[in-house]
Amino acid sequence: SQQGEEDPQALSIQEGENATMNCSYKTSINNLQWYRQNSGRGLVHLILIRSNEREKHSGRLRVTLDTSKKSSSLLITASRAADTASYFCATVSNSGSARQLTFGSGTQLTVLP
Amino acid sequence: NAGVTQTPKFQVLKTGQSMTLQCAQDMNHNSMYWYRQDPGMGLRLIYYSASEGTTDKGEVPNGYNVSRLNKREFSLRLESAAPSQTSVYFCASAAPPGLPNTEAFFGQGTRLTVV
Repeated sequence: SQQGEEDPQALSIQEGENATMNCSYKTSINNLQWYRQNSGRGLVHLILIRSNEREKHSGRLRVTLDTSKKSSSLLITASRAADTASYFCATVSNSGSARQLTFGSGTQLTVLP
Repeated sequence: NAGVTQTPKFQVLKTGQSMTLQCAQDMNHNSMYWYRQDPGMGLRLIYYSASEGTTDKGEVPNGYNVSRLNKREFSLRLESAAPSQTSVYFCASAAPPGLPNTEAFFGQGTRLTVV
């Protein structure tokens, strides 16, 4: 089964509102990453947070990580219609020599103009 | 830089046919990955390669083989295609030398239909 699970599966908000997506994972990680996927396209990296970090910001993005709860959240502030996309969390495992990058099932965000 | 290049972009196969999906990266990355994405789902890892000459199974390896031909190229082969392998396939690479835990860069995907 997949390492990460996003919640909610789908989210619809008005332009200007904030969007929060959550991710839970199962095993020990080296880092957690968030990606965005526009319909029919490849994934684009948004932000990476390491296991020893608790919060990270990048522009309108804010990511938190709680390793004790094995969970992360992605906050997009002041959302725009162009933010409409699927958002995925991905974890890099902390075991073994190979860094497996494992994705969750994603949150489909729709921002209404 | 081209980043990660996948070929072909689209492919239709008949059940039982074979084909190889090609992937190349020009970022000197050590790690490369093959994923499949089914409608409404996330990406499931098929195989990955931590470095040239090594490959490991991911979550859904059955029915696939891979080759890490050199540092740049990582190919995925379907020996006998089945309708259940209809999916969008993504290749990704990560980890420049000395930086093992970095973000991944993705190709644009190969949309494969098996009839």
